[in-house]
This record gives sequence, structure tokens and C-alpha cells, in this order.
Amino acid sequence: AQSVTQLGSHVSVSEGALVLLRCNYSSSVPPYLFWYVQYPNQGLQLLLKYTTGATLVKGINGFEAEFKKSETSFHLTKPSAHMSDAAEYFCAVPTPGSNDYKLSFGAGTTVTVRA
Amino acid sequence: GAVVSQHPSWVICKSGTSVKIECRSLDFQATTMFWYRQFPKQSLMLMATSNEGSKATYEQGVEKDKFLINHASLTLSTLTVTSAHPEDSSFYICSAHLGRDRGAGNTIYFGEGSWLTVV
Repeated sequence: AQSVTQLGSHVSVSEGALVLLRCNYSSSVPPYLFWYVQYPNQGLQLLLKYTTGATLVKGINGFEAEFKKSETSFHLTKPSAHMSDAAEYFCAVPTPGSNDYKLSFGAGTTVTVRA
Repeated sequence: GAVVSQHPSWVICKSGTSVKIECRSLDFQATTMFWYRQFPKQSLMLMATSNEGSKATYEQGVEKDKFLINHASLTLSTLTVTSAHPEDSSFYICSAHLGRDRGAGNTIYFGEGSWLTVV
């Protein structure tokens, strides 16, 4: 079954520094790839999604991710971290099955931003 | 934009009682909604697929008699935790997608989540 692996359960960066969150998918190329952000005690908010076409996807809040088939990766980056970026980030792919809206999530990466 | 709303945001119930959580799509119709469960510091685990007008489809290991799902209209799905126990305490999140086309890459929207604490 398709799954995603997020390397690093916790990332700590200084304000203004690059944020890099890693996500690798397994086996076959998924039809879609998503990054979601979750702030404490809240639901998930879509940061960006890859469907078809351009492999570099730009999302909200200055985040972007690049789909690299050769590396089976979809890493999330932001050039300059802001304090408000402190949150939990999840990479997700559709679960193979009846439709493409049932998602399988990675374990998540907690981002803390140091002043 | 499309919004999915959950109610209540927080609920505390006594062990042995039942509690209902609602998931509403506020400005679009959702024939399918999904219910996830999230334990603290962990990822989301899919519990079931809620299908409007038909029975829910449960993931392996999820007790359908314990987690009753009803999707009576195109904008509302409910999850009822029956005979709740402390181990049912968790964060429950629903999602819905905008659009009927399968595989269209339409955005999936998530509710704000509902914290259930069973004491």
C-alpha cells in the first residue's frame, strides 16, 4: 500500500532560517501529494498539493515543495522561518482504494522556531 | 472558500455514556466524508468513510458498533461514540472533498477537530 515517510519527527530552526521538512513516498508514484499544517488543538490546513504538471508547487505562507520522481520525494521548504510557522506538519497521499480522498498521513514533523 | 465545521470542539463525558460529534460542510455538498482519529503527538488514523445515504465503510480494526456513523444529508455526517471509555479519549477530525469527480485532485477540507475526554 502506498505510504509516506517523514524523516525527522522534530525540526528546530532559528527565525529567518531555512525550513526543510522531508517526505518520501513508497512504491508507485501517487496521483497526488499533499502537505498539511496543524496548529495546536486545531484541524488540518492544506499548505499545498501536487497533482500534475509543474513539479515545484507553491503553497500558502511562503511554503513550497518539489516533487522528485527519481528520489520518490516531496520535501517541503520555506526560505525564511517565522515564529508563526511553529506547528505540526503532515505529508499525505491518497490511500489506494475506492477513491482518492481517503488519505494516508506520515507520522508528522513538529517544527519549533527559535527567536 | 469551502469550510468544514465540527461540533462540539471539546466534550467531556462520563464513562459508559455516548457522545455525538457532528461534521458539516458549510457551503458545499459532500457525498463522502471521512473520520480520523488522532492521539496526542501522533498522526491521523483513518477510522471510516461516511457515505451519504448508505452505510459507512470502516477501516480494519475499527469497531463499527462502537463508532456509529450516520450521513443522513449531503452536508452532515455524525460520529457517535457509544459506551465511551477513557481509552476512547482522543482528537477526532473529519474531512470532506469538494467536487464529485473522482481523482480530480480536488481539495480535501478538514474540520477543526473535536476533543473527546472520557472520565
